[in-house]
Amino acid sequence: DSGVTQTPKHLITATGQRVTLRCSPRSGDLSVYWYQQSLDQGLQFLIQYYNGEERAKGNILERFSAQQFPDLHSELNLSSLELGDSALYFCASSAITGANVLTFGAGSRLTVL
Amino acid sequence: TQLLEQSPQFLSIQEGENLTVYCNSSSVFSSLQWYRQEPGEGPVLLVTVVTGGEVKKLKRLTFQFGDARKDSSLHITAAQPGDTGLYLCAGADSNYQLIWGAGTKLIIKP
Repeated sequence: DSGVTQTPKHLITATGQRVTLRCSPRSGDLSVYWYQQSLDQGLQFLIQYYNGEERAKGNILERFSAQQFPDLHSELNLSSLELGDSALYFCASSAITGANVLTFGAGSRLTVL
Repeated sequence: TQLLEQSPQFLSIQEGENLTVYCNSSSVFSSLQWYRQEPGEGPVLLVTVVTGGEVKKLKRLTFQFGDARKDSSLHITAAQPGDTGLYLCAGADSNYQLIWGAGTKLIIKP
């Protein structure tokens, strides 16, 4: 157990729908990162939050949004889902912002039918 | 835009063989991390290298950071089936953001 908790572990939904993925960072970590990983691909950075504020943005689609709450948990919202959004979505946390050691959760596998 | 290229993309070898995975860029990184990801799990940090020319060993795994801090290699000696996984390198750019390689999928056959 890495200490980073992601829910749900698996999610199957239909095109056009909206889903929310949740992440609780490791205790004491202030930074949360979201990544997308398609089948047998590397990690695509989506967005980073630090202590509730957006810190860096990657290749995140406009249909996607995220936030980090006062208790430091984060949610990634995916809307108007398309088949191509099917992927593993990972959350990672680190103690501070910047390129520190990232601790990853086990991921949420999203399947869009 | 900084890029980090990993090679090979895929490697399947027999148990006991040696192998090297490369991570190359035209840009300088302040540090470089290697992660291993097993199926159904998130990546797990193996090592961070910071100084140009630095060599770190983790049991049968040897990691090297290039002198110019633009490239890195991971060498595995006498590979075991437990080494199977996706190996990812990630370099820290001047803004301390991580730039990720596409990964090397490694399969060690018994």
